[in-house]
Formats: sequence, structure tokens, C-alpha cells
Amino acid sequence: EVHLLESGGGFVQPGGSLRLSCSASGFTFSKYAMSWVRQAPGKGLEWVSSISSSSGSTYYADSVKGRFTISRDNSKKTQYLQMNSLRAEDTAVYFCAKDLNDVMISFGLDHWGQGTPVTVSS
Amino acid sequence: DIHMTQSPSTLSGSVGDRVTITCRASQSINTWLAWYQQKPGKAPNLLIYDASTLESGVPSRFSGSGSGTEFTLTISSLQPDDFATYYCQHYNSYSPTFGQGTKLEIK
Repeated sequence: EVHLLESGGGFVQPGGSLRLSCSASGFTFSKYAMSWVRQAPGKGLEWVSSISSSSGSTYYADSVKGRFTISRDNSKKTQYLQMNSLRAEDTAVYFCAKDLNDVMISFGLDHWGQGTPVTVSS
Repeated sequence: DIHMTQSPSTLSGSVGDRVTITCRASQSINTWLAWYQQKPGKAPNLLIYDASTLESGVPSRFSGSGSGTEFTLTISSLQPDDFATYYCQHYNSYSPTFGQGTKLEIK
């Protein structure tokens, strides 16, 4: 059974940094692209970033480009999201998600973690 | 970016009803579309991908159709567990986007 567990969320002041982690189990992690999706309180889903299976390609939403960095360690079956220069509008629950395809990235997401909350406030 | 618009934003139904949610893309996305169900405080759950392929384990009362710019999610006979918020998502490009969501409420 696929299991994704996010950690690292919390409370941070504007301009601060956080690093989120997502630990994976139940599938061959190194074969699948991974993504982060966020949901602000009471709002809809927003794709944040994705990374290919080999880390060779990374993708970012315009809203986070230049501030967030996605990475992964296939030996640890873990992906990360380094978030810098945080703003109040980054406040959200951040979900880790697994890609549908094992051949190439699709950006379709077939399994999700339960999310980790991030609050940016002074 | 491709913009996804769902309608209606809120939908009321009763157990046993047939309901349909529509998702429109601002440009053609072929069939690169997924539907997700989300309940309060929970992660989204994939229902349909590639516009019409039912994800493993999802009840057959859920179905998806469409291509190009117009898509539908149909629930053939509402069950109590189906009252939730539904999102469409395109994955036609390197910048996937979600619809704003449709909240399915009990009438």
C-alpha cells in the first residue's frame, strides 16, 4: 500500500524559511515523479512544484518560482520542499503526491499524503 | 497557463440522484484531465484520470467523459459517502492547474 507522510510544517514569520519532507513507502520511489500541492485555508487546490524520478527536471508554479526548491533523495525514499522568503499568502496545508506514471512525468497524481500545515504570520 | 472552470460551484442532491459536474478548459487539453474527491480535513482522492479511466478501487457509479475543452464527472446514483468537494485538474502541460471545486451538498 502506498503511503506518503509529510513533515516539517509549522509557524514561521514572513521572510523566513521552512523545509518540508515527504517520506514514501509501498512503491518503487525512484521510478516515479513526485509533486507538492497546497491548499490555503478554505480555498481550492494549487499545484506548487514537481520533480522527475531522477531529479533531472524540476517544475514550479510562478507563485513560488525563485523562492521554493524541490529535491529528492531516492536512497531515502524522500522528497523535500525548501521554502524561502515565505509570505503570508504561502499559508496553506502542503500535500505530497505521487505521479500516475512510472515512465515519464505526467503531473497526474494518484496518491496523496495527509498534508502538513504551514502558517506564515508575524 | 490553462485555466480550468468548474460548474456549478455548489450542487445539492439526494441519495439516489444522478448528478453531473462540468469542467471547461481555456484551451484544448486532449484527455489529460483528472477528477479528485476531497472531504473536509482530508487529502484529495483520485477518482478518474485520462478523462474517463476509473482509478482502481473507485466505485463504478463514478464516470468521466469529454475531450478537448469540455469534460464531465457523473455520479450515477448518489451515496451518503459521496457528499464532498470535487476538483478537476488538467495535466496537459508543465504547469498543471485545478478547477475551483464543486461542493456537493445533501439536499
